[in-house]
Amino acid sequence: SAVISQKPSRDICQRGTSLTIQCQVDSQVTMMFWYRQQPGQSLTLIATANQGSEATYESGFVIDKFPISRPNLTFSTLTVSNMSPEDSSIYLCSVEHSGQGLQQYFGPGTRLTVT
Amino acid sequence: RKEVEQDPGPFNVPEGATVAFNCTYSNSASQSFFWYRQDCRKEPKLLMSVYSSGNEDGRFTAQLNRASQYISLLIRDSKLSDSATYLCVVNNQGGADGLTFGKGTHLIIQP
Repeated sequence: SAVISQKPSRDICQRGTSLTIQCQVDSQVTMMFWYRQQPGQSLTLIATANQGSEATYESGFVIDKFPISRPNLTFSTLTVSNMSPEDSSIYLCSVEHSGQGLQQYFGPGTRLTVT
Repeated sequence: RKEVEQDPGPFNVPEGATVAFNCTYSNSASQSFFWYRQDCRKEPKLLMSVYSSGNEDGRFTAQLNRASQYISLLIRDSKLSDSATYLCVVNNQGGADGLTFGKGTHLIIQP
């Protein structure tokens, strides 16, 4: 499986500010995804990060709030813009493994607290 | 996005016992199925894929019933280290749409 790192691992931010989360993979991957896990909840897909084109967002998530970059096949960023306390969550990136069953592997997550 | 439903538990099980989790999914077009394990304050980690013929990996057995849209996970000879949240996960369109997660079943193995 791929080795995935995220930065920062955690942050405490003031409302109204923005935070950019980085996801780095140790090998080239076609598909990268961003998820959110709110306290006590399971994971919800935010968007698929496409290399060379705009991200594809799930219902309820918009580009203005969660802009995503995917400049190459090993790196992506997710920005949480104009944050509010409701954005407090763990944000995880994942990559798809092209082996059996299209398995996905997750980064360690970024724990965000908005005050 | 269609839902994936699981019993949240917690399941309190004595060490050495056998425990089974079930999961149902609502999208009949779903193509790929997985069980992930998530430890407290950690990211989800793939436990195993689930195949139509059923599959086994050591103490873990997964079954899929497409007709009933039902997935199961059986853990035999449970260990203290099996304590975690088990997430039933469905990939609906061959990878392009990401994964849909159930809310997880919390398992506590007691000594």
